[in-house]
Order: sequence, then structure tokens, then C-alpha cells
Amino acid sequence: DTEVTQTPKHLVMGMTNKKSLKCEQHMGHRAMYWYKQKAKKPPELMFVYSYEKLSINESVPSRFSPECPNSSLLNLHLHALQPEDSALYLCASSQNPTEHGNTIYFGEGSWLTVV
Amino acid sequence: KNQVEQSPQSLIILEGKNCTLQCNYTVSPFSNLRWYKQDTGRGPVSLTIMTFSENTKSNGRYTATLDADTKQSSLHITASQLSDSASYICVVSPNRDDKIIFGKGTRLHILP
Repeated sequence: DTEVTQTPKHLVMGMTNKKSLKCEQHMGHRAMYWYKQKAKKPPELMFVYSYEKLSINESVPSRFSPECPNSSLLNLHLHALQPEDSALYLCASSQNPTEHGNTIYFGEGSWLTVV
Repeated sequence: KNQVEQSPQSLIILEGKNCTLQCNYTVSPFSNLRWYKQDTGRGPVSLTIMTFSENTKSNGRYTATLDADTKQSSLHITASQLSDSASYICVVSPNRDDKIIFGKGTRLHILP
């Protein structure tokens, strides 16, 4: 099983809503990531969890709140988002808690639209 | 400054033809280089990963080459299929503590 599963695939939310994106992997990977990707742009790193602890926060606004309940799950809690936050949010995982020397497996992504 | 440049930005070829995508990087020190395929609206899928000592790696109809001296990599697609229409992203890892660097991708269109 080389899958990273993300839900929901599509999400439309208002600027006052609170919602969550979920990600799950069962490959025993110890690093998990959230990326944000705008149209025709490469993915931009948001957060890295290493052994279930937040190791990198790329100066992401506090309206995005990550959570790693266990080694297989990664959530991204969303609150008071802006329309410019609309994007494809990609979850990824890799075997070792660095981004290097290991293939990063991406999920299918969650399309987020903020209205 | 660590950078990854891909060319061409966009490419259109007929089904069944071969094509080659280029990736030049200025990343140093170098750890590894990966090629990903990303269909529109979906997550990237890993095609190949190569370290400093590897010159070529194949994955079906995809063959990646790496010249660490000139800091160039290519992705050759043989006998293209309609399903090859996607963005192909080159990703370079500098070292253990730095962020990986994404190229902007090459958008490949296969016409029937």
C-alpha cells in the first residue's frame, strides 16, 4: 500500500466557517507534510511533522492549524480563511523525517474554495 | 541561490512520439533529484529518484538521466500515450537540513 489518502476531495467554505482537511497513510512513514499549490505553480511547503511532532512551520498564518493525532493521521484545521487561500492542499509522507534521500508520496489533494 | 529550472515550459506532441524534458539546477551540495508526474487537479506521483552516483534510471516508458557535473537532468518519454498529458516536475534536494526545491514544471500535451 503506497497510498496517502486525503479527504475531502473538494471543500467549499465561507470565511467564517471552521473546517478540517484530513490525511491518512499506512506505510509506516514517520514524516508527514502539508503543501499548498496554486494553479500552474509548484507545491509550497506549509508544515512538516517528524515523529508526530511539528518540526517545520513555514511561517504559515495561524488560520491554518495542523494536528498530528498519531503516526498515521495528519489534519489541517481551517478557520477564518480568506479567498486567496483557495488552492489545492496536498498531504505527503516519507519514510524518514527529512525530506531528503526518500521518495515523498503525495495524496490526491483537497481542492479548497473559500467564498 | 538554489534554483531548479525546467524547459520547455509547455510541449505538445503527437501520440506515439518520443519527447525529452530538461531540468537544470544550481543546487549545491546535491543530495538527490526526483521527477514527478502531476495530472491536473491531482497530487504528484513519483516517477524516479536519483542520487549523485546514478546516471540513469528507468520506470517503464520513462527514463531519467542525471549529469551531476553539469547539473542537468532529463526525462525521456518513449512512445507517448494520451495519458502522459500532465505536468512533469523536477525536484532537487540540497542536503539533509534544507528544503527540497521544486521546478515550475513542464506541461506536456499529447494529441491523438
